[in-house]
Amino acid sequence: KAGVTQTPRYLIKTRGQQVTLSCSPISGHRSVSWYQQTPGQGLQFLFEYFSETQRNKGNFPGRFSGRQFSNSRSEMNVSTLELGDSALYLCASSFGVTPGANVLTFGAGSRLTVL
Amino acid sequence: GESVGLHLPTLSVQEGDNSIINCAYSNSASDYFIWYKQESGKGPQFIIDIRSNMDKRQGQRVTVLLNKTVKHLSLQIAATQPGDSAVYFCAELHNAGNMLTFGGGTRLMVKP
Repeated sequence: KAGVTQTPRYLIKTRGQQVTLSCSPISGHRSVSWYQQTPGQGLQFLFEYFSETQRNKGNFPGRFSGRQFSNSRSEMNVSTLELGDSALYLCASSFGVTPGANVLTFGAGSRLTVL
Repeated sequence: GESVGLHLPTLSVQEGDNSIINCAYSNSASDYFIWYKQESGKGPQFIIDIRSNMDKRQGQRVTVLLNKTVKHLSLQIAATQPGDSAVYFCAELHNAGNMLTFGGGTRLMVKP
């Protein structure tokens, strides 16, 4: 079966712009989580969506937002980009019915560079 | 390839040797632990997991050990192969949701 698909894989933006990243989970998975990966901070949890509702949220500013659609696909948006937002953004999906009981499967990520 | 960490601790082993990667976790209330492998240009890939009510779990060529007393997790890889070269992350999960807290990662380099 197809894995977690993230688009775009690479993108370059300038400070002040906004960006939208997309994630298509594995078929049947209803939970989608987003993580930010940087060399300095490692992997950090952004938020999780389940059945179109945000279920968990990490410690990121309000410039970072997300949503989930009825087909479980998810998007995340970062507004007013800063240089420090340059990172690999990873999406992970799981069945998510029982929190914590399912293995998260990660996509390959979207690498964002902010100039 | 893309760097996932400029200052990661590195473990260098000879092909065929056993590897042990260690991880200290922070939350004594965590009830589920996972090891992930990340190769250059890819997302983390699930290796093995363990629940807090266990102290050992074995997979194919991999074993995870959990010591709750000192909040320590280890991953043992038997007969390490060049394809095992990657960055390895431990992660802990609280039962409150699918929010993983990741460790800083260890880079494993396998010398042929």
